[in-house]
Formats: sequence, C-alpha cells, structure tokens
Amino acid sequence: DTAVSQTPKYLVTQMGNDKSIKCEQNLGHDTMYWYKQDSKKFLKIMFSYNNKELIINETVPNRFSPKSPDKAHLNLHINSLELGDSAVYFCASSQGTMVNSPLHFGNGTRLTVT
Amino acid sequence: GENVEQHPSTLSVQEGDSAVIKCTYSDSASNYFPWYKQELGKRPQLIIDIRSNVGEKKDQRIAVTLNKTAKHFSLHITETQPEDSAVYFCAAKDSNYQLIWGAGTKLIIKP
Repeated sequence: DTAVSQTPKYLVTQMGNDKSIKCEQNLGHDTMYWYKQDSKKFLKIMFSYNNKELIINETVPNRFSPKSPDKAHLNLHINSLELGDSAVYFCASSQGTMVNSPLHFGNGTRLTVT
Repeated sequence: GENVEQHPSTLSVQEGDSAVIKCTYSDSASNYFPWYKQELGKRPQLIIDIRSNVGEKKDQRIAVTLNKTAKHFSLHITETQPEDSAVYFCAAKDSNYQLIWGAGTKLIIKP
C-alpha cells in the first residue's frame, strides 16, 4: 500500500493549459504539503495544509491553487501553465507541524510544459 | 528567518570509504534536524533525524552529530556502498515550526 499517492506520475502539456495533480494519504496524518523540485534538485515548499486549513503559502503565483476537500487529500490546480512550471511536484504528509514528525513523500509528478 | 546551508554540493568517495556532509543553520531555537535521501528518479525518504537535546545518533552505518553551540550538524556514512549513491538533504525545523531545507548534496560512490 502506498502511503502517499499522487497522480498522474507524468504530465506533459502545452503552455496556457490548466491542469491538476491529485494527492491522497492513508496515514491518518493531519498535515499535507506540496513541494516543487526544479532541475537543480532544490526542494521548495509551496503550500501546507493542516486539517484542511492553509497554514503556509510561500511566494507562489496565484495561478497555483491548492484544494483540500478533507485532511486525507490535497490537490493542486495550476492555471495558464508556463514553461517555468516544468518541474517535479511532490506531495507530502506529516502528523502535525509542531511535533517532530517526519515527512512522507509521494512518488512525485513530473510536469513538462512545452 | 532560518537559513540552512549544506556542503559540499557534490561528494565523490571510493566505495568502502566514509562520507561526511555538513549543514549549518541560523535559528538557535531550531530543535529538529532530519536527513533525507533521494535516489535518482525517486522520492525523498527520511534516513535519520536528531533532536536538539541529543548530540549524536547512530543507525548502523549512518550517524548524525549536532553541535548546538556552533549551529551545525553533520551526516556520516561509513563503509560506503554503491546503493548509498543519491542526493542527501538536511533540514532544520525553526522556531515557527517550518522545515527549512538545505540545497542537497549529490553523493557519488566510485567502485
């Protein structure tokens, strides 16, 4: 059983399109995250949700909109895709933010914008 | 805010030798320091972590040391093997409970 699962694994699309990436965790965690990893391997936090509420929203264009229907799901919708959005996007979850609980990552979604 | 610096960016060692990756942090209130390993094409996975009330922690060939006074922590891998080849990330949880990441170290194990 995959603890944090995200779909799709690969996403190839053209500039200007709108796309979504889905994420689900079955660990019972109450906090979920979206990270962006560029070609230089930097891991950059984009969003963090705790019990369906946004707690971190780093400097991310408002073309990116996370949606958390319940604490087991955190989806990422991206409008008007740009070339610079090409990256690997990782979903992750943890038990709380204040406790020292490790992050569990999904397998990533490789987004290529042409 | 917290800043985490990680060195070196690339480390190449002979199989069987030891590897050391170092990180420094700026927020003296940081209290949790995990290390993640990311193999090529895969997700980052926690390999070891240390809390601020501990100076060293070991798990088989992997150890982490923490110097709170100097605000640095290090990952030590002994008797390196080909499967240790990966990108390693350090991180620090700051006083705002945010996890701040280092830029990563690509470890190459030469046969």
